[in-house]
Amino acid sequence: DADVTQTPRNRITKTGKRIMLECSQTKGHDRMYWYRQDPGLGLRLIYYSFDVKDINKGEISDGYSVSRQAQAKFSLSLESAIPNQTALYFCATSAAPGQGYQPQHFGDGTRLSIL
Amino acid sequence: SQQGEEDPQALSIQEGENATMNCSYKTSINNLQWYRQNSGRGLVHLILIRSNEREKHSGRLRVTLDTSKKSSSLLITASRAADTASYFCATDAWGGSEKLVFGKGMKLTVNP
Repeated sequence: DADVTQTPRNRITKTGKRIMLECSQTKGHDRMYWYRQDPGLGLRLIYYSFDVKDINKGEISDGYSVSRQAQAKFSLSLESAIPNQTALYFCATSAAPGQGYQPQHFGDGTRLSIL
Repeated sequence: SQQGEEDPQALSIQEGENATMNCSYKTSINNLQWYRQNSGRGLVHLILIRSNEREKHSGRLRVTLDTSKKSSSLLITASRAADTASYFCATDAWGGSEKLVFGKGMKLTVNP
């Protein structure tokens, strides 16, 4: 059973469409993140949330928005998709540092293609 | 912007050989982490080394950190075909894993 589940796994859509990518987790973590991965560029942080009432912009937030509906759910929206948002999108979670640094746990990604 | 830069970008070895990957970074860090990504899957955390540590071991993994050179290396000993994956270093400039900055990654191929 996946601890961090992303839906859909694959999506093809057209320029200008609104798209929502969803992430849910069963790890009980407070912190959630959205990244995009492009070939040769590694992962770049889009948005992150430390708890339900906390939302922060990452390195590349323009053109994206997020919603933290519950501790376990964090969704990413593209209000008007454009082709250069074609990428692999990952959701991740982590526990609060507490007694030490905590690793991030990733979902298996959503492959998004915008035509 | 990327903080870490892995080197080499790709490495191909035979099963049983050791694989060494290097990571250089630019700013001061609290810790450095290594992650593995199998094809079509998400990243999996391998090992974390704090800025006050110089070497750490976990099974067949050995990571070193040289803060004076702003560099780290990951050694995988006695490699297996199942180690074939992309490997990423990630740096954490704050007190927890809240805002990791990932390198571009390197592709390791272990031939049976």
